Amino acid sequence: EPEVTQTPSHQVTQMGQEVILRCVPISNHLYFYWYRQILGQKVEFLVSFYNNEISEKSEIFDDQFSVERPDGSNFTLKIRSTKLEDSAMYFCASGDAGVYGYTFGSGTRLTVV
Amino acid sequence: AQSVTQLGSHVSVSEGALVLLRCNYSSSVPPYLFWYVQYPNQGLQLLLKYTSAATLVKGINGFEAEFKKSETSFHLTKPSAHMSDAAEYFCAVSVKYGNKLVFGAGTILRVKS
Repeated sequence: EPEVTQTPSHQVTQMGQEVILRCVPISNHLYFYWYRQILGQKVEFLVSFYNNEISEKSEIFDDQFSVERPDGSNFTLKIRSTKLEDSAMYFCASGDAGVYGYTFGSGTRLTVV
Repeated sequence: AQSVTQLGSHVSVSEGALVLLRCNYSSSVPPYLFWYVQYPNQGLQLLLKYTSAATLVKGINGFEAEFKKSETSFHLTKPSAHMSDAAEYFCAVSVKYGNKLVFGAGTILRVKS
């Protein structure tokens, strides 16, 4: 069964450093998303991406965040200058144009120290 | 804006007993509704989805959910709990194809032997 792949599975970074979280969505999917889950809290929407541009973003997704689909297969989330409160599990998801539903990756656990 | 309320952050059932996880939604337009399961340290796996076809939806692992518009509910049930069902369950709503998912706070299901 096709999967959404996220790397790395864990990342520890120092406050103020830039991090890039990587995702390989399912190949024929058209819609791409990033969500995050702070430990013990609900899953929160960050950003959606369609047709090579951001289609929607939440208030969490401020100027410190950016997304890119650099080569037609990868989908990345960059956090420019990490804060302690950015520590969370980050999930990538993708969706296709047929069967409605999203496939999530296994997540990247980001710890900012 | 749409929202989801999951009643009961923790539910405990005995093995073999009925599982009932409650989800109520709020949406100004006909919703698409989803249940996801998250096992410890794993991603989100789609259990089932309602996309305006049949109101009783069957999913994987013996789970089903019924969309009740009059009650704005989408409760998840399973006739007989198994130890392997212990996980966290998330209800989510979307209002348009390709749109973001809005998640409930989650319900942790514990299955006692």
